Amino acid sequence: KAGVTQTPRYLIKTRGQQVTLSCSPISGHRSVSWYQQTPGQGLQFLFEYFSETQRNKGNFPGRFSGRQFSNSRSEMNVSTLELGDSALYLCASSTLAGGSTDTQYFGPGTRLTVL
Amino acid sequence: AQSVTQLGSHVSVSEGALVLLRCNYSSSVPPYLFWYVQYPNQGLQLLLKYTSAATLVKGINGFEAEFKKSETSFHLTKPSAHMSDAAEYFCAVSDPGSQGNLIFGKGTKLSVKP
Repeated sequence: KAGVTQTPRYLIKTRGQQVTLSCSPISGHRSVSWYQQTPGQGLQFLFEYFSETQRNKGNFPGRFSGRQFSNSRSEMNVSTLELGDSALYLCASSTLAGGSTDTQYFGPGTRLTVL
Repeated sequence: AQSVTQLGSHVSVSEGALVLLRCNYSSSVPPYLFWYVQYPNQGLQLLLKYTSAATLVKGINGFEAEFKKSETSFHLTKPSAHMSDAAEYFCAVSDPGSQGNLIFGKGTKLSVKP
């Protein structure tokens, strides 16, 4: 079974631009979570989607948004990019309803660099 | 709020030596705990998971972790380090009140000397 895939793997953008990242979960998985990883803040939860609905959101500004499609694929969008948005963005999928007992399987991440 | 503390941002061991990576959690309810490993420029790979079935959890690549409620700890160990174990290790706790949200420690970078 194929793992979680994320595209693109690397992105370079300039301040003020917007960016869209894509995540395809493991087949059959319906919950998708997004995380931001930076050297200073570590791994921080962005949001979680299940059956096309955002069920949970971390403490990030409204410039960060996402959506999930009927096939469980998910996208996240960052508008008006800032230098501090440079990070590795990780997507994870899980089998159940994303509850506390479930295991999240991570993709390789998208490395975003904002210049 | 849930939190995870990993003691030691860097740990260095010799090949063949014991690996011990420390993790303490704060939780008012029985937690579900995870250890993940991250190799350079890659995502996170699950090593093992504690779900209250057994306090000693065996994972992949010879790693295991022991849940100690009295110490609120979930330390990761491996009897004999291999060069390929060099990576960054993250302890995480799931937040039962926050679906899809794993709370991670800051990570411990493991170096293995020949």
